Amino acid sequence: AQTVTQSQPEMSVQEAETVTLSCTYDTSESDYYLFWYKQPPSRQMILVIRQEAYKQQNATENRFSVNFQKAAKSFSLKISDSQLGDAAMYFCAYRTPNNAGNMLTFGGGTRLMVKP
Amino acid sequence: EPEVTQTPSHQVTQMGQEVILRCVPISNHLYFYWYRQILGQKVEFLVSFYNNEISEKSEIFDDQFSVERPDGSNFTLKIRSTKLEDSAMYFCASSEITTLYEQYFGPGTRLTVT
Repeated sequence: AQTVTQSQPEMSVQEAETVTLSCTYDTSESDYYLFWYKQPPSRQMILVIRQEAYKQQNATENRFSVNFQKAAKSFSLKISDSQLGDAAMYFCAYRTPNNAGNMLTFGGGTRLMVKP
Repeated sequence: EPEVTQTPSHQVTQMGQEVILRCVPISNHLYFYWYRQILGQKVEFLVSFYNNEISEKSEIFDDQFSVERPDGSNFTLKIRSTKLEDSAMYFCASSEITTLYEQYFGPGTRLTVT
């Protein structure tokens, strides 16, 4: 079974600084998708960024980028120029394309605090 | 922007009672999901639903659970006889199709079983 691990329960960053959230996963599949979801306090989870395993290029969405290391099974999220609105729980998630039910497997989450 | 909505936001029930959690997915979405998160634990997949039938379910989704799309807009999760360990946050999600398209999550229903 696939597992996703986020080893940092909490992280803090100064506003305008850069922070990296870690995620590792375990799978025997060669093709899969990885996601980072953000959950602000009392709000729904929203997709921040996704990475297809067959793509060597790391995904980027504005201030958010990933460092995808397939051999190491690592998928970290870098947030540049951190803003107060980035404070949230961040979840790493995994899915295989052959999964008929489209099931996401989540990590335990990292709470990010942004200091003004 | 369209959103997934869930009602109620908080449900308190007594052990052994039946509860129905309601979700309104985004209108043109075809795939629907339920996940749950017990306090302090990971978000866990329960079930996915497509074309009026279950596509996949986890081992958590036992005979106590059922899902239904009773009309063209609602998607419900029923727990027949609640247990203390069913206390959790329940998230509904929907997506357009199965491939790369993201799952859009609702705000969740906090279920407290006493």
